[in-house]
Amino acid sequence: GENVEQHPSTLSVQEGDSAVIKCTYSDSASNYFPWYKQELGKRPQLIIDIRSNVGEKKDQRIAVTLNKTAKHFSLHITETQPEDSAVYFCAASIPGAGSYQLTFGKGTKLSVIP
Amino acid sequence: NAGVTQTPKFRVLKTGQSMTLLCAQDMNHEYMYWYRQDPGMGLRLIHYSVGEGTTAKGEVPDGYNVSRLKKQNFLLGLESAAPSQTSVYFCASSYSPTGGPFFGPGTRLTVL
Repeated sequence: GENVEQHPSTLSVQEGDSAVIKCTYSDSASNYFPWYKQELGKRPQLIIDIRSNVGEKKDQRIAVTLNKTAKHFSLHITETQPEDSAVYFCAASIPGAGSYQLTFGKGTKLSVIP
Repeated sequence: NAGVTQTPKFRVLKTGQSMTLLCAQDMNHEYMYWYRQDPGMGLRLIHYSVGEGTTAKGEVPDGYNVSRLKKQNFLLGLESAAPSQTSVYFCASSYSPTGGPFFGPGTRLTVL
């Protein structure tokens, strides 16, 4: 099955700096890559996603890049704010006949220091 | 529009007891999932459903059963709870295999 590695496991940045979280996946058939943000005690929330036919996607301060050849994708957060502090999860999915399995990374705890 | 809801929010069980977790969605989504979240382990798929009347095993299905009798509901059952099933359980749904999914608020289960 698919294996998703996520790095780093913890990340501290100063407010206003950029944060980058990287994920690698093992199965070249994976074609959908969402990112989730989970605040303490809350549910994971989808913040951005990218499909394998796109190399980069941006939504305000958040961007995701995908390198299919190297099988890795990254989340970029610019001008970080204290409310960006949370655990971020990447995920990858493999298409299948009538099936759908999303495999998650183990998460990155981002702390934005005011 | 409530989105994805889960019942109950918290539950404590003794080893060997059984229980059912209920998930409901009002978005008319075909796909529904049950995940468990443990510290340092991310989210792991237990079972999922691609439509009413269908279920399939995910990454960690042992000790759990599911049913999808109605499109809007997805039930997760524990027949004989074990301490290893202490976890936070999240239900989720999506409109397609490559969209979302959207998560419910979670159920915190403790098995003593």
